[in-house]
Amino acid sequence: KQEVTQIPAALSVPEGENLVLNCSFTDSAIYNLQWFRQDPGKGLTSLLLIQSSQREQTSGRLNASLDKSSGRSTLYIAASQPGDSATYLCAVDDYKLSFGAGTTVTVRA
Amino acid sequence: EAEVAQSPRYKITEKSQAVAFWCDPISGHATLYWYRQILGQGPELLVQFQDESVVDDSQLPKDRFSAERLKGVDSTLKIQPAELGDSAMYLCASSLIQGNSWTEAFFGQGTRLTVV
Repeated sequence: KQEVTQIPAALSVPEGENLVLNCSFTDSAIYNLQWFRQDPGKGLTSLLLIQSSQREQTSGRLNASLDKSSGRSTLYIAASQPGDSATYLCAVDDYKLSFGAGTTVTVRA
Repeated sequence: EAEVAQSPRYKITEKSQAVAFWCDPISGHATLYWYRQILGQGPELLVQFQDESVVDDSQLPKDRFSAERLKGVDSTLKIQPAELGDSAMYLCASSLIQGNSWTEAFFGQGTRLTVV
């Protein structure tokens, strides 16, 4: 059974600092990995999808890397803003989407 | 912009009553998922459909939960009878097809269920 772990569980940084969020998974036989953002009481918004053959994917201030062999992905958010405050979830697709518990980020103005 | 529609957004029900949630996936998406998310935890898969067929319902409490996707389009998740421990966010998601590296999943806004 796929196990997905996200560390840290919570993170608080001052505005402007770069964010580094970690995701690890136990079974490397995946099709892809997705990063999502979730605001309180809301659904999930897809941020980035990294295909299994890719090493990284970028969208604006977001960059996600994937090391399938070691079962790790990292989401980098450059120059954080208060609007980046949310919970960030990673999900691995091995024919079903398995989620980590998320990292709750607070960016202080 | 195409999106996954869910209703209702919020539902309060009494213990032992029946409750139902509805999901309309993005048009053309063959794969539909129902997830349950307890506050502070990641989403847990309840059931996954490929068109109208169930491909995974291993975590669905089948004594009280049922799900259907009769024409391979929209879907209904039912709980009967509801228990206090069922209070959670119920999320629906869809994707074009499973088992492909470029498949991206899209989520609806969820239904917040409170059982009293």
